[in-house]
Amino acid sequence: QVQLVESGGGVVQPGRSLRLSCAASGFNSNSYGMHWVRQAPGKGLEWVAVIWYDGSNKYYADSVKGRFTISRDNSKNMVHLQMNSLRAEDTAVYYCARVNDYGDHKLSAFDIWGQGTTVTVSS
Amino acid sequence: DIQMTQSPSSLSASVGDRVTITCRASQRISSYLNWYQQKPGKAPNLLIYGASSLQSGVPSRFSGSGSGTDFTLTISSLQPEDFATYYCQQCYTTALTFGGGTKVEIK
Repeated sequence: QVQLVESGGGVVQPGRSLRLSCAASGFNSNSYGMHWVRQAPGKGLEWVAVIWYDGSNKYYADSVKGRFTISRDNSKNMVHLQMNSLRAEDTAVYYCARVNDYGDHKLSAFDIWGQGTTVTVSS
Repeated sequence: DIQMTQSPSSLSASVGDRVTITCRASQRISSYLNWYQQKPGKAPNLLIYGASSLQSGVPSRFSGSGSGTDFTLTISSLQPEDFATYYCQQCYTTALTFGGGTKVEIK
């Protein structure tokens, strides 16, 4: 079935790095833009980053720009989030999500989500 | 970035009630607005896309309306499984933003 599975979360000290991965299955991930969305404990949803279907464009939230890098390997149906210089405020559940435009190139709706992976930044 | 403001932040309702949640954008976003439902410990689930289109598999008691800056999610008859937190999300700009959420609780 169509699914996304995240991995790579854990406990890390401030200033260190972590790499999250998202494995797609059940659909041709090469045809979809992929995003990372995070949710701090007890808080709402925050968009983090997007990579276009072919990797040609990447955009980031201001809160992570210059520290996080999104990438994808379409040969392996994988999307990654390299997180450097981690801060306490990066502590969150990180979700990988597929975006569907329903035929409107400007529409971006997250129709498939992973189960999330937890990142805790603490000394 | 476009700010999305949801109201109320929480509400109490009974099974069978009609529930309305509003979402206001800080600038006009046409109909580029989506709604999600999230239950504790779970990933969000897409309910409505493009302000008013029902996602496949979502019950018809959910509906969305609005355009420009003001949007509404309506649950016509609240069911036990609908107690959850609801988020709006704009996709008018590349920097996507979510509303702060509305928690629907049992009265």
